[in-house]
Amino acid sequence: LAKTTQPISMDSYEGQEVNITCSHNNIATNDYITWYQQFPSQGPRFIIQGYKTKVTNEVASLFIPADRKSSTLSLPRVSLSDTAVYYCLVALRGGNKLTFGTGTQLKVEL
Amino acid sequence: EAQVTQNPRYLITVTGKKLTVTCSQNMNHEYMSWYRQDPGLGLRQIYYSMNVEVTDKGDVPEGYKVSRKEKRNFPLILESPSPNQTSLYFCASRVNTEAFFGQGTRLTVV
Repeated sequence: LAKTTQPISMDSYEGQEVNITCSHNNIATNDYITWYQQFPSQGPRFIIQGYKTKVTNEVASLFIPADRKSSTLSLPRVSLSDTAVYYCLVALRGGNKLTFGTGTQLKVEL
Repeated sequence: EAQVTQNPRYLITVTGKKLTVTCSQNMNHEYMSWYRQDPGLGLRQIYYSMNVEVTDKGDVPEGYKVSRKEKRNFPLILESPSPNQTSLYFCASRVNTEAFFGQGTRLTVV
């Protein structure tokens, strides 16, 4: 299973765009890249998933370069409610594990 | 509404007293799993199940049992709880790499 590396923490202000980059140098050909958000004492919540290039949904965008060794989660115009831990995972779609690392603690201030 | 329901949400018990944490999902997902979350250690997988009557150990299975007699339910059993099993527990069901987590069960073993 590919290991991921993300910054431990990031700070931002309301209204700004936040980009969290994840490194996954050993990603396998069939692995997908998935991001989750977790608020304190709640279970993680799926944000977005991608395989290559760019994926966008109503919450975020995911940018994946051609070599797939990294990915960037982009949160447009963050608000205080986006303060949470964000996890980057790589996994087979039908695989037996979703392995969560320590994630990135995003703190959004006024 | 698609959901994963865990019970109880909070539990304080004594060492050695058997307990069961229930988990139920209404999305007809084949894959279900249990995680525990501890400060500084992140989310660690305890057990997972790829389908009815198919279960397997995750990263930290010692001291836990599970069963999967029907698709919707995946209870976590602690036959003889110990204080080192004090933790926040999450059940999840999953399709591909999109996992749906329950609200969590905060267990304290004294």
